[in-house]
Amino acid sequence: DAMVIQNPRYQVTQFGKPVTLSCSQTLNHNVMYWYQQKSSQAPKLLFHYYDKDFNNEADTPDNFQSRRPNTSFCFLDIRSPGLGDAAMYLCATSRDSSSNEQFFGPGTRLTVL
Amino acid sequence: GEDVEQSLFLSVREGDSSVINCTYTDSSSTYLYWYKQEPGAGLQLLTYIFSNMDMKQDQRLTVLLNKKDKHLSLRIADTQTGDSAIYFCAEGSDTGRRALTFGSGTRLQVQP
Repeated sequence: DAMVIQNPRYQVTQFGKPVTLSCSQTLNHNVMYWYQQKSSQAPKLLFHYYDKDFNNEADTPDNFQSRRPNTSFCFLDIRSPGLGDAAMYLCATSRDSSSNEQFFGPGTRLTVL
Repeated sequence: GEDVEQSLFLSVREGDSSVINCTYTDSSSTYLYWYKQEPGAGLQLLTYIFSNMDMKQDQRLTVLLNKKDKHLSLRIADTQTGDSAIYFCAEGSDTGRRALTFGSGTRLQVQP
């Protein structure tokens, strides 16, 4: 089945230790998104790619970076995680720039010790 | 700016209908979505409606849109315990910023 896959599902890191979360998709969608969702809050968009074109949200901290080496994969790098970065990180895709419909992965829950 | 508001919590008995409400502020919204999130899981798209529609029905789900009041609702008929989850309303536009804006979610608790 075509889908959005996130690995790992649960990630524990130490304060200040870099961590990378990964997302892959078999949908061959052009657009990929990373959202941060803290407890009892709405998902908040961090950035997204239209193909290889990177789009950063204005209030996304510099601590968060992303890479998209090819259509299928997208990575979220947190350079120096703080306690406030503990959250669920959701990856989503959409077919192309004319489509609003987004398909979400199961998320990676990040714990910062 | 864009803003999407939802009530935080709704409790119903199994077999009753549930109605989850949402208001939004962006008049350029083209699509309005309902997503379901079960504990520890990602978001599952339930249904969506175009802004030029008033109503959409999909099996047990009915979406009503009042564009004048910018009010969206999701009605779940014959609510089951498996419907217990958080329901997110989201809006998107065909112009400008294409990312979705989500509400904070409504936690639906279904009591047997």
